Amino acid sequence: GQNIDQPTEMTATEGAIVQINCTYQTSGFNGLFWYQQHAGEAPTFLSYNVLDGLEEKGRFSSFLSRSKGYSYLLLKELQMKDSASYLCAVSPQAGANNLFFGTGTRLTVIP
Amino acid sequence: DSGVTQTPKHLITATGQRVTLRCSPRSGDLSVYWYQQSLDQGLQFLIQYYNGEERAKGNILERFSAQQFPDLHSELNLSSLELGDSALYFCASSATGATYGYTFGSGTRLTVV
Repeated sequence: GQNIDQPTEMTATEGAIVQINCTYQTSGFNGLFWYQQHAGEAPTFLSYNVLDGLEEKGRFSSFLSRSKGYSYLLLKELQMKDSASYLCAVSPQAGANNLFFGTGTRLTVIP
Repeated sequence: DSGVTQTPKHLITATGQRVTLRCSPRSGDLSVYWYQQSLDQGLQFLIQYYNGEERAKGNILERFSAQQFPDLHSELNLSSLELGDSALYFCASSATGATYGYTFGSGTRLTVV
């Protein structure tokens, strides 16, 4: 089976930095994804990691450690519009490309 | 506009009924995926089609079925609907062999009363 764990909720202050953690245990590993989802809307792709290390993309960075089954999403210079759910997803096998998602972390940014 | 089109956006129907959700993938994408998102649950993978063929199956109920047509649009059929089937149903598409993420449609919100 596939198991992906994330904290349910987090709160952070505008302008601050927040780290959202994700741990996974899956039958295989072909990449880890982070998506952002505003309430009632479609998820939008943020980042993809397949090798260990940090991937930086503007205010967002994502880190992966395959040996630990661990990833985090780092959001810097938080803005109010960053209030959303952040979904961690794993692709367990090459070829099929189906993703398994965690339940998501609901981030609330406060002034 | 993500390029993935889902219709209808909202659907309200009674228990026991049957509905069809439709998805048109982004131009050029051969893979279509269906996901269910209930209130307290994450996105649950239902089924994937690639160029008309079923490629992978997740926790899809026997009451649910899907297909992908020659023009690559896909339909998800939900029958004998129960209250617990109320959810957001998302379709996503991806390019051939891509492992760097899907593009999601805006979803169909199904309410079973």
